[in-house]
Amino acid sequence: SSELTQDPAVSVALGQTVRITCQGDSLRNCYTSWYQQKPGQAPLLVFYGDNKRPSGIPDRFSGSSSGNTASLTITGAQAEDEADYYCFSRDSIYNQWVFGGGTKLTVL
Amino acid sequence: QVQLVQSGAEVKKPGASVKVSCKASGYTFTGNWMHWVRQAPGQGLEWMGVVNPGDGRTVSAQKFQGRITMTRDTSTSTFYMELSNVRSEDTAVYYCARDHSLSGDRSVWYLDPWGRGTLVIVSP
Repeated sequence: SSELTQDPAVSVALGQTVRITCQGDSLRNCYTSWYQQKPGQAPLLVFYGDNKRPSGIPDRFSGSSSGNTASLTITGAQAEDEADYYCFSRDSIYNQWVFGGGTKLTVL
Repeated sequence: QVQLVQSGAEVKKPGASVKVSCKASGYTFTGNWMHWVRQAPGQGLEWMGVVNPGDGRTVSAQKFQGRITMTRDTSTSTFYMELSNVRSEDTAVYYCARDHSLSGDRSVWYLDPWGRGTLVIVSP
């Protein structure tokens, strides 16, 4: 079955850089997309593909991918970046889409 | 602008069915597939399935096969997700989210925008 694995929680000091990772076999064939979710809100797309950031998303958000691992990097984390982050991709073998389990980011 | 407006909260008894709607506007209705995603209280996002508005074909997560029905009404630009035989574990916020995909040496699928969610509570 399809699976994407994320660390459950990550913390970063205000203004520092943090990397959130997502691992899965499906990522060898597909890029991932990344979503930020704050309490009580719907998820928000923050990055997708190899280098695409939606309009309105700060350029401190960036992404990368290598092998079966994708990463979302926040350079100079701000207090408002504290949220849950999810990766999402498609498993072409099983024709299923899947989310990672999510990473809770705390900005200290 | 693109908008996805979902139906209101529902309370259902175990064994019943629930039908959630998602009315799309601001774009060509048949131009993008629509995904359904749910989130149980305190839990992560769970992909449920996707519907092609052009021909109505669907792909659902193996976990929900046999219980989920995804449809669309092109005359009203509305998508529907019906979950049958609900149980307490189905208590969750249900989202619709518009699909995009880019092809290339490595494809990517992304969801934007999302509806605001519909709370479904299953309780005796």
